[in-house]
Amino acid sequence: DADVTQTPRNRITKTGKRIMLECSQTKGHDRMYWYRQDPGLGLRLIYYSFDVKDINKGEISDGYSVSRQAQAKFSLSLESAIPNQTALYFCATSDLGQGHGNEQFFGPGTRLTVL
Amino acid sequence: GQNIDQPTEMTATEGAIVQINCTYQTSGFNGLFWYQQHAGEAPTFLSYNVLDGLEEKGRFSSFLSRSKGYSYLLLKELQMKDSASYLCAFPTSGANNLFFGTGTRLTVIP
Repeated sequence: DADVTQTPRNRITKTGKRIMLECSQTKGHDRMYWYRQDPGLGLRLIYYSFDVKDINKGEISDGYSVSRQAQAKFSLSLESAIPNQTALYFCATSDLGQGHGNEQFFGPGTRLTVL
Repeated sequence: GQNIDQPTEMTATEGAIVQINCTYQTSGFNGLFWYQQHAGEAPTFLSYNVLDGLEEKGRFSSFLSRSKGYSYLLLKELQMKDSASYLCAFPTSGANNLFFGTGTRLTVIP
């Protein structure tokens, strides 16, 4: 069973629509992250959360919002999708007390296309 | 500031050895990671270096020189399945998250 899951895996939507990407984890990690990946630009951090009451903006948070519903769940929303938000989105988790500290464990990704 | 430089693409032959370099700049060093990412898939952890020197793990080894801001990933006995992107990353100041390089896309040819 996957430790970090993302739904949906693929989504095509239209400009202006509200979209929610969901992430769940069974690793028991406190820290969760949302990244987007674009060709030639690598992984860029959108938002991160260190616990249910902690939400922080990353490098490219404009146009996005998040919700940490529980330790195991971290959702990313696009309030009004635009074509340049077409990308591969990854959720990740980490726990300073496990693995190599800052080591992050990634979900399988969501491919989002905004027409 | 913080920055990572990696070659964009590399090609190597099956069975050969390839070295992927990474130079980095960060104000507070707290280790360096290498991840492997096959096209369209999630990045997966390969190695972590916090002290200078070579860490060997099977066919993969990773080297770090903190004074030079330099690391490399060494892949031996290349296999076709090693065709992937290799991402260099370090924890940001305060260790809030990982800063990733844009990755090196390795193509292994027969």
